[in-house]
Amino acid sequence: DVQMTQSPSSLSASVGDRVTITCRASQDIYNYLNWYQQKPGKAPKLLIYDASTLVTGVPSRFSGSGSGTDFTLTISSLQPEDIATYYCQQYDNLPPITFGQGTRLEIK
Amino acid sequence: QVQLQESGPGLLRPSETLSLTCSISGGSFSTYYWSWIRQTPRKKLEWIGYTYISGNTHYNPSLKNRVTMSLDTSNNRFSLKLTSVTAADTAVYYCARHLGVIIAFDYWGQGALVTVSS
Repeated sequence: DVQMTQSPSSLSASVGDRVTITCRASQDIYNYLNWYQQKPGKAPKLLIYDASTLVTGVPSRFSGSGSGTDFTLTISSLQPEDIATYYCQQYDNLPPITFGQGTRLEIK
Repeated sequence: QVQLQESGPGLLRPSETLSLTCSISGGSFSTYYWSWIRQTPRKKLEWIGYTYISGNTHYNPSLKNRVTMSLDTSNNRFSLKLTSVTAADTAVYYCARHLGVIIAFDYWGQGALVTVSS
């Protein structure tokens, strides 16, 4: 199985900050990497697919980059509504499809 | 607007069989792949399996011997059966649609909490 490791596990930042979350795969997954946002009591929401393609309707302050084993989700200017847990997910080597353990983002 | 809704028993005893159904409305059923995903109380997301109208089905190897997924095309529904449940199967179970051929989940149900307890 491809192991997905996110860092940090939790993060506290101020409104307006640039925030970066990293996801590392245990082997090369090319660009088969997606990012999700999950708010309490809700299902995850797809933000970015194929490492860098923004889903229609997702604010442009969200961006994704990377390929191979190292990937990044960036929020260019943190907004209060961005408080959530973020997950990465790979789909190169399956089954199984695997997720990172999540990064909890809080407001400082 | 595509909507997914999970349904099924919320409480099971150990060794029983978990049965959930996902009802889809507002979109095409037969042209997409459909997955079940669960989230444990510690918030870990685990993919269970996916299925397609052609019969192309893949399960997570860690659950393969206990999982069956099936489609009801007449009623735009698909189902999950997980046998011999234990407390470790306690989770919120989500059904989700794939983003075309890309294995990204663009629509999700609201989730169904299943608790396994004696």
